[in-house]
This record gives sequence, C-alpha cells and structure tokens, in this order.
Amino acid sequence: NAGVTQTPKFQVLKTGQSMTLQCAQDMNHNSMYWYRQDPGMGLRLIYYSASEGTTDKGEVPNGYNVSRLNKREFSLRLESAAPSQTSVYFCASRAGMNTEAFFGQGTRLTVV
Amino acid sequence: KNEVEQSPQNLTAQEGEFITINCSYSVGISALHWLQQHPGGGIVSLFMLSSGKKKHGRLIATINIQEKHSSLHITASHPRDSAVYICAVRGGGYQKVTFGIGTKLQVIP
Repeated sequence: NAGVTQTPKFQVLKTGQSMTLQCAQDMNHNSMYWYRQDPGMGLRLIYYSASEGTTDKGEVPNGYNVSRLNKREFSLRLESAAPSQTSVYFCASRAGMNTEAFFGQGTRLTVV
Repeated sequence: KNEVEQSPQNLTAQEGEFITINCSYSVGISALHWLQQHPGGGIVSLFMLSSGKKKHGRLIATINIQEKHSSLHITASHPRDSAVYICAVRGGGYQKVTFGIGTKLQVIP
C-alpha cells in the first residue's frame, strides 16, 4: 500500500539551481496536486492536474512548472530556485470530485 | 479575514480529556475536510463531510452549514493524538480548496 510517494524527502539547493520533485500514486487517481506549506499559513495550491494530459495553475504558480507524465506521475520543477521557495512541498491525489485526498510524506526544501 | 479560521491555534490536554477543535469559514462550500498532520510531517485525511455528523473511532466531526462552522471532537484523548489538525473547505469550483492554518494539539500522559 504505497499510496502517494514523493521524492526526495529533504533537499538543499543553492539560489539559481534547478531541481524536480517527483510524485507517484498507485491508486489510479485522476487528479493530482502540488501544495506548499509555510509557517503560519495554510497549504497553498501551486499546480494541479485534473486528469492525465491536463495541468492548471493554482494560487502560487510563479517559479514552478509541472508535468503530468502519465496517470501515475506528476512532477514539480523549480527552474531557478529562490530563497522564497524554501518550504515543505506536498503532493496529493484524489479519485474525483467529492472524494478524499491522499497526501505524500512531503519534501522539505531549503534554498540558500 | 481568512476564509478559514481555526481555534484554538494551540491546545494542551491531559490524557483522557475530551477535546474540541473548531473551524469557521466565510464562503459557500461543497465539502469540508479534517486532516491530521503528524509530527513527522505526513498528512492523513480524517473526515470529509457536507452535512451532519461523522464518527470514526474516538473522533467525531460535525458541521453546521447555516452557521458555517465545523467541530472536530476527540474523546478519551491519548498522547498518540498529538498532531496538527487542519480544516479545509472546498468550494468555488472543483479545485478550489482553502486550508486553515491548523490547530496544534499536545496530549500529555
């Protein structure tokens, strides 16, 4: 029962470096999401993919790109990391409207 | 004013106590979620509800749509209940989910 798997769990980047956060789910869910969690704030949606082949911006998309590689995988890319992107990132998936969401374990990213 | 307000922000309880965490929201919603975030960081969905009341083990969630308010109750609290509890509301479109900041609960033996 893997559920939603995120990699890596921890990462330190230097300003300007790039990296890709990987997310995979094994529940055959249609929708997948990337959120960031910052101190004193609720989770905020970066990008989402309502179904395979589609992606859309959420509340805070600037500085990020995504790829829905197939139904299982949804990656988040930082092209040129900035200290403001220091955060904990969560991937989530759900089967469809009015269903519960399943979250990955999170990626703690620090940009120095 | 945030769309989702939780109270209290921090809560310390003795083992065995009855605990209530509140969530108020200001927008029309299609569903409300209660989530649990463990100290290690993982997030687990506890409840999804759009009316009435749901119960799972020692956890009870209620919602009053007219008053735009939900409560999460924990009966006979235990140290393993120590976590951050997050309220989230879904409305304004399929993908629009607004999360509260969370309530940090510590249950002391």
